[in-house]
Amino acid sequence: DSGVTQTPKHLITATGQRVTLRCSPRSGDLSVYWYQQSLDQGLQFLIHYYNGEERAKGNILERFSAQQFPDLHSELNLSSLELGDSALYFCASSVLAGGLYNEQFFGPGTRLTVL
Amino acid sequence: AQSVTQPDIHITVSEGASLELRCNYSYGATPYLFWYVQSPGQGLQLLLKYFSGDTLVQGIKGFEAEFKRSQSSFNLRKPSVHWSDAAEYFCAVGAEEYSGGGADGLTFGKGTHLIIQP
Repeated sequence: DSGVTQTPKHLITATGQRVTLRCSPRSGDLSVYWYQQSLDQGLQFLIHYYNGEERAKGNILERFSAQQFPDLHSELNLSSLELGDSALYFCASSVLAGGLYNEQFFGPGTRLTVL
Repeated sequence: AQSVTQPDIHITVSEGASLELRCNYSYGATPYLFWYVQSPGQGLQLLLKYFSGDTLVQGIKGFEAEFKRSQSSFNLRKPSVHWSDAAEYFCAVGAEEYSGGGADGLTFGKGTHLIIQP
């Protein structure tokens, strides 16, 4: 158990809908990262927040957005969902903002199925 | 931009045999390298990491990896595999904090699926 929690574990929804995935980092960690794992694209970095502020963006679609709240939990919002958005979404947390000795701990993931 | 190549999509090893999973990276500066394992239906667990210093790093579950700068490689090894080692293994590289103006996430390889034969 990494100490990172994600809810829900599974989510099934329809195309065009909007969903919110939630992540609680390990106690004391200020950074939250979001990743998408799909069969065709593999594991891809989406976005990084540090202490409430966006620090970096990866391959995140404009239909997706995220935020980190004062209690450091984070939410990933996915809107206008398409079949291709079906994937496993991971959250990771770390103490540092990045750089040397920055070790990320991953949550169990949320499996999103878009029908 | 950094990249990671894991040339073997699948590897089959007999239980008790030795294992080596290959990883090559492309990155302009000193890389921070990681190996993660993902069991079916599970999240990613960190096996080991290289930040600096000794190029042979030890990890959990009896795994080790060697960083070879001249070959841009960070291969994962285990002297004797157990059936419970069957899983997907990912090599990843981390960027420096302010490369490109932000703290980017990890870049992962496509993974190697390890099958253990009895």
